[in-house]
Amino acid sequence: KQEVTQIPAALSVPEGENLVLNCSFTDSAIYNLQWFRQDPGKGLTSLLLIQSSQREQTSGRLNASLDKSSGRSTLYIAASQPGDSATYLCAVKGNDMRFGAGTRLTVKP
Amino acid sequence: NAGVTQTPKFQVLKTGQSMTLQCAQDMNHNSMYWYRQDPGMGLRLIYYSASEGTTDKGEVPNGYNVSRLNKREFSLRLESAAPSQTSVYFCASSEPPLAGVRDTQYFGPGTRLTVL
Repeated sequence: KQEVTQIPAALSVPEGENLVLNCSFTDSAIYNLQWFRQDPGKGLTSLLLIQSSQREQTSGRLNASLDKSSGRSTLYIAASQPGDSATYLCAVKGNDMRFGAGTRLTVKP
Repeated sequence: NAGVTQTPKFQVLKTGQSMTLQCAQDMNHNSMYWYRQDPGMGLRLIYYSASEGTTDKGEVPNGYNVSRLNKREFSLRLESAAPSQTSVYFCASSEPPLAGVRDTQYFGPGTRLTVL
């Protein structure tokens, strides 16, 4: 059974810092890995999707990497802003979709 | 485009009552999903529908039923609500992976359900 873990559960940083969020998964037989953002009381918004054959994807200040063999992905956020405050979830797609519990990020002005 | 819409946004039920959560998407997607989100546990898949006319169980299907009414609509029914079903319910849709098509899931805003 696929298990997805996100560490840390919560993170608070001052504005302008570069930061890394971590996601690990136990079964490397995946089709893709996706990073989502969730604002309080809202649904999920897809940020980046990495296919199993890819190593990384970039969108603006976000960069996500995937190391399938070691069961790890990282989401790198450059020059963080208060508007980046949200919960970030990773999800892996194998036979079904499995989500991590998320990292709650607070960026302080 | 409204994307994925869900009704109601909030609901309070008493134990044993029944209700149906509605979901609709206007993106012409084939696949639709129902998840529940509980504190500290991430999202868990309840049921999904790969295409119109088909439904399959996910990780936590007990106590729920679904109906894929047509390509646009996918409803989730609680026949006899229990306090353990207090959660936030999300509907999502996606296009199945084809060459050149990204398998991104699009989520609705959620329904917050409390069962007393």
